[in-house]
Amino acid sequence: KNEVEQSPQNLTAQEGEFITINCSYSVGISALHWLQQHPGGGIVSLFMLSSGKKKHGRLIATINIQEKHSSLHITASHPRDSAVYICAVSVNNDMRFGAGTRLTVKP
Amino acid sequence: DAEITQSPRHKITETGRQVTLACHQTWNHNNMFWYRQDLGHGLRLIHYSYGVHDTNKGEVSDGYSVSRSNTEDLPLTLESAASSQTSVYFCASRDRGLSEAFFGQGTRLTVV
Repeated sequence: KNEVEQSPQNLTAQEGEFITINCSYSVGISALHWLQQHPGGGIVSLFMLSSGKKKHGRLIATINIQEKHSSLHITASHPRDSAVYICAVSVNNDMRFGAGTRLTVKP
Repeated sequence: DAEITQSPRHKITETGRQVTLACHQTWNHNNMFWYRQDLGHGLRLIHYSYGVHDTNKGEVSDGYSVSRSNTEDLPLTLESAASSQTSVYFCASRDRGLSEAFFGQGTRLTVV
């Protein structure tokens, strides 16, 4: 079993919909990261959080340390949000990655 | 602006050849990492370095090597390329302690 599990693997939404991507982990962590990868593109860090909630524009990330679970929410989704979203956890100096969630937002 | 760059962006090589992928960062980060990304897998750690002259093996290090002669660069060498090493390779850097990671644009390597 992977240390970092994401769901769903694939997600298709209509423009304007509210989207949730989930991440569960099974190891002790110092922080959790949400990353975004556009097709053929590099990887960009969206959030790093160790407790509570963070918001940036239409993106919101939450973490529940006791339940070892995090969610990434996208409000008012747009086709430009189409990308792979990757959950990663910091364990000491290392990072462990989920397999990613491929999001497609249709106009 | 500080950045992390990889080169080349695309490479096709033949089985058995030695290949070196470059990674250069201007963040002055001590920690640098090489990952490979394959369908169905998350990013997997190949090698990492916590500072000059420090190198460590990751989860999938067989067939790869790195060297760290300065803070800015961590080149990844495939000693004798194999078809199983066809992948997309990402370099990343982080500051010490709890900090955000910065990734390069990736290198798509095809071994034929």
